Amino acid sequence: DVKVTQSSRYLVKRTGEKVFLECVQDMDHENMFWYRQDPGLGLRLIYFSYDVKMKEKGDIPEGYSVSREKKERFSLILESASTNQTSMYLCASSAGGGNRISPLHFGNGTRLTVT
Amino acid sequence: AQKVTQAQTEISVVEKEDVTLDCVYETRDTTYYLFWYKQPPSGELVFLIRRNSFDEQNEISGRYSWNFQKSTSSFNFTITASQVVDSAVYFCALSETTNAGKSTFGDGTTLTVKP
Repeated sequence: DVKVTQSSRYLVKRTGEKVFLECVQDMDHENMFWYRQDPGLGLRLIYFSYDVKMKEKGDIPEGYSVSREKKERFSLILESASTNQTSMYLCASSAGGGNRISPLHFGNGTRLTVT
Repeated sequence: AQKVTQAQTEISVVEKEDVTLDCVYETRDTTYYLFWYKQPPSGELVFLIRRNSFDEQNEISGRYSWNFQKSTSSFNFTITASQVVDSAVYFCALSETTNAGKSTFGDGTTLTVKP
């Protein structure tokens, strides 16, 4: 089974801090994604990556950046955390290649609180 | 732009009732994929089904069935004889065939099955 592991289940940070959320997948997937989940807003895509060192903006990239130095690891960075970034963050991965789109495999999520 | 609408925010049923979760989507693409995911109270989203835009066959898997109708841009999900374990948030998602197959999610439907 694919396993997507997010390094922290809960995080509490202060406004202005630099925050790193780490995600590792063990199935050699090409694609990796960061979503945030807020009540009533579903899942919104922040950034995604389809290869090492490649990154693309999603729908709400402002205030975030990402890093993918190795295929299995995709990091989300909050350069200067703000209270409106308090949310549940979900990492996902999927196999790439061809026109057949594979389903997403999700981690357990990181609940970030910015005070 | 792609859009997924799940008009039902919350549904409550009594065990053994049938329940249908609605999903309506918008896209200009002629080729795309549709997914349903389940998020139980434990939090991890789990893939349920994938359907591509060329395959309008309905599918049944145990107590679950899916009705895909391109003419109405709908991909509805029915649970027959619901059980308490079906209580979860259910997300419908629409994926492009480019851009790493990035997915647009609906806001989710919270299903509560009461004993």
